[in-house]
Amino acid sequence: QKEVEQDPGPLSVPEGAIVSLNCTYSNSAFQYFMWYRQYSRKGPELLMYTYSSGNKEDGRFTAQVDKSSKYISLFIRDSQPSDSATYLCAMNPAQKLVFGQGTRLTINP
Amino acid sequence: DAGITQSPRHKVTETGTPVTLRCHQTENHRYMYWYRQDPGHGLRLIHYSYGVKDTDKGEVSDGYSVSRSKTEDFLLTLESATSSQTSVYFCAISEATGLGSTDTQYFGPGTRLTVL
Repeated sequence: QKEVEQDPGPLSVPEGAIVSLNCTYSNSAFQYFMWYRQYSRKGPELLMYTYSSGNKEDGRFTAQVDKSSKYISLFIRDSQPSDSATYLCAMNPAQKLVFGQGTRLTINP
Repeated sequence: DAGITQSPRHKVTETGTPVTLRCHQTENHRYMYWYRQDPGHGLRLIHYSYGVKDTDKGEVSDGYSVSRSKTEDFLLTLESATSSQTSVYFCAISEATGLGSTDTQYFGPGTRLTVL
């Protein structure tokens, strides 16, 4: 079993929809949780960073961490075609990140 | 791309030839990483470095070696390339002080390697 599980999708939704992306993990030592966005043929870029449990909001994006369930989520409100990308969750107990497989998201105009 | 460059950006080579990929940073970050990204596997860590001449293996290190003689440069070498090493290779950097937010990694633009 992988340390981090993420549904690879693909996920396709209409413009304006609320998108929910999720990851589960098995290592209770993980404390720092990140979401990266990767456009086609580009390197991943950091989108959101959270520490421990709770919510963090940045514009249309909300990251949620539930350590008791070992479950993290990224919500995108009012989704736009420019949000079409692969989203990777990542987490770490130390200086090495463990990545989910990535979910490919398409927002249809 | 946070002051990270990778070279070459694209390379086609033949099985059995040596290949060296270069990562260069201008951020003076202590940690540097090499990943490969393949469909169905996501990002997998090959090797990483925590200082000049200090390196360690990741989960898929077989067939790869690395060197770091300067803070700003991290080289990945495929001693004898195989078709299974066809992939997109990403370099990443991190301050990684263990204080949380600095553990985030910043990625380069990637190198697309094809081994025929």
